[in-house]
Amino acid sequence: RKEVEQDPGPFNVPEGATVAFNCTYSNSASQSFFWYRQDCRKEPKLLMSVYSSGNEDGRFTAQLNRASQYISLLIRDSKLSDSATYLCVDSGYSTLTFGKGTMLLVSP
Amino acid sequence: DTGVSQNPRHKITKRGQNVTFRCDPISEHNRLYWYRQTLGQGPEFLTYFQNEAQLEKSRLLSDRFSAERPKGSFSTLEIQRTEQGDSAMYLCASSLPGTGQETQYFGPGTRLLVL
Repeated sequence: RKEVEQDPGPFNVPEGATVAFNCTYSNSASQSFFWYRQDCRKEPKLLMSVYSSGNEDGRFTAQLNRASQYISLLIRDSKLSDSATYLCVDSGYSTLTFGKGTMLLVSP
Repeated sequence: DTGVSQNPRHKITKRGQNVTFRCDPISEHNRLYWYRQTLGQGPEFLTYFQNEAQLEKSRLLSDRFSAERPKGSFSTLEIQRTEQGDSAMYLCASSLPGTGQETQYFGPGTRLLVL
């Protein structure tokens, strides 16, 4: 059974800070991963895919470490609007296995 | 709006009643998924369809739950004899499988409260 573990937080950071989240996954055969963002009482929305070579999209960088079976998300220059829950996802052939999410609170 | 839509957005029911939710996927997407999310948890997979065929069901999907996608377009999820433990957000997602990573797009969810 696939499992994805995340620190639930909350991570409290000031605007402009850099913050990093990690998650670990149990299935060594897993190939594809995502980070989703979920605002309170809203649906999850895809933030970015995670590649072995790393993936950068503006202020966001995702990395995959297959040897240690963990995935990271780095957010630079945090904005108030980054406050949300970040869900780490293991994508199997057809279904997604979500972690419980890490809550980020960015304060002025 | 061409995203995934779900109806109703909220449902309050009494224990023992049956409820049915509807999901309309993005029009060209042939895969449709149902998830359930409770407070403090990530979404948990329930079942998925490719076109009209139901290809996988989680063990979370007890025999009180049934999902259909009769024409390969919209889907319904029915819960019979609801229990208080069924209270959750029910999320629908759709995707178009192809090469590379497959992205699932989520609807706004149906929030169920069983009294």
